[in-house]
Amino acid sequence: NAGVMQNPRHLVRRRGQEARLRCSPMKGHSHVYWYRQLPEEGLKFMVYLQKENIIDESGMPKERFSAEFPKEGPSILRIQQVVRGDSAAYFCASSRWTVPDEKLFFGSGTQLSVL
Amino acid sequence: SQQGEEDPQALSIQEGENATMNCSYKTSINNLQWYRQNSGRGLVHLILIRSNEREKHSGRLRVTLDTSKKSSSLLITASRAADTASYFCVNNNDMRFGAGTRLTVKP
Repeated sequence: NAGVMQNPRHLVRRRGQEARLRCSPMKGHSHVYWYRQLPEEGLKFMVYLQKENIIDESGMPKERFSAEFPKEGPSILRIQQVVRGDSAAYFCASSRWTVPDEKLFFGSGTQLSVL
Repeated sequence: SQQGEEDPQALSIQEGENATMNCSYKTSINNLQWYRQNSGRGLVHLILIRSNEREKHSGRLRVTLDTSKKSSSLLITASRAADTASYFCVNNNDMRFGAGTRLTVKP
């Protein structure tokens, strides 16, 4: 049973380009969370999605960032026109559902570097 | 703002000593979870404590919960160098993480 898969592991973009980060949740999981982490800091919540629905995007910047979790395929975090401040590690996590006892399973993250 | 504020921010101990980390949260909880992160990797779930529980054990881990003070503590007994990592708590109601406690266990 494969864990949460994130790709690419490392992504280098120049300022102004687009970055697409992918997250395949664990089999049977229909809930995905995206987090962003700067060095030596904690994880900052970005967005919570269920299949085909955005449930909570209160942590997402209003511009340039978007996320989706289609019926088929991985969840995508998209950053348009990247700037140097977008450089960070982006982690996704999945769970089966949102009952109180659920725990999150994390991927290994995507390290985004903006030149 | 982030829920789940851990304290201290950093902790350095010798192998064999116990490590205690604290967590405070702002809103009500259904349960509270602790996670561990090795450098550069994703978080790994350690232990979950429900709001109606006061203490829980798992191997060398002991978690306490005080809902009146909105706080929890994680105790790692007989620490090992391999316990070196960052530790985070999270309220299951909002899944927001704090800054974590960076634990260093010196051999």
